[in-house]
Amino acid sequence: NAGVTQTPKFRVLKTGQSMTLLCAQDMNHEYMYWYRQDPGMGLRLIHYSVGEGTTAKGEVPDGYNVSRLKKQNFLLGLESAAPSQTSVYFCASSSPGRGDGELFFGEGSRLTVL
Amino acid sequence: AQKITQTQPGMFVQEKEAVTLDCTYDTSDPSYGLFWYKQPSSGEMIFLIYQGSYDQQNATEGRYSLNFQKARKSANLVISASQLGDSAMYFCAMRGGWDKIIFGKGTRLHILP
Repeated sequence: NAGVTQTPKFRVLKTGQSMTLLCAQDMNHEYMYWYRQDPGMGLRLIHYSVGEGTTAKGEVPDGYNVSRLKKQNFLLGLESAAPSQTSVYFCASSSPGRGDGELFFGEGSRLTVL
Repeated sequence: AQKITQTQPGMFVQEKEAVTLDCTYDTSDPSYGLFWYKQPSSGEMIFLIYQGSYDQQNATEGRYSLNFQKARKSANLVISASQLGDSAMYFCAMRGGWDKIIFGKGTRLHILP
């Protein structure tokens, strides 16, 4: 059971480089979310999507872009990475019509920007 | 705007005692949901319990219960008979309008033998 898979798990970037984090889910969930986790800050919502082709801003969207071209995939892009984007990134998916609509999380991706 | 507040950065509790982790929220949405998640030191996020805003009874799942006081806008997690394996970070979260789900800053729980 794959669930939610994030790629890559670890990445080191230099300031100004770009990269894309991929989130894939095999549960046919409508909703997908990207969070970042920093010490003492909890999880902060970056962007989310309530369906294929739709995205919305979360609490800390600046410096990130997202795309949801396919229902099962949600991409998070950093166009010009900054040291402030060093964090652990979590992707999650849910389907409010099933169960409690809880979030199912990936294992996280640790990004370091030098 | 939605807001989740967890006022206890850390707690130390003796094994087998009950624990209450505080969570208050703010939203103008009439319909919302509240979640609790556990994050052990290994880093994965584990769903514990859910309470809908229209649910008449407090949610329970095994040793976990959610003390939902709608008028006070609080959704405290109660863990009965704590165990060493309960040592972890605990997050309160809320689903509000437009299905945005936000989290609090978390409470780090330490269970002492």
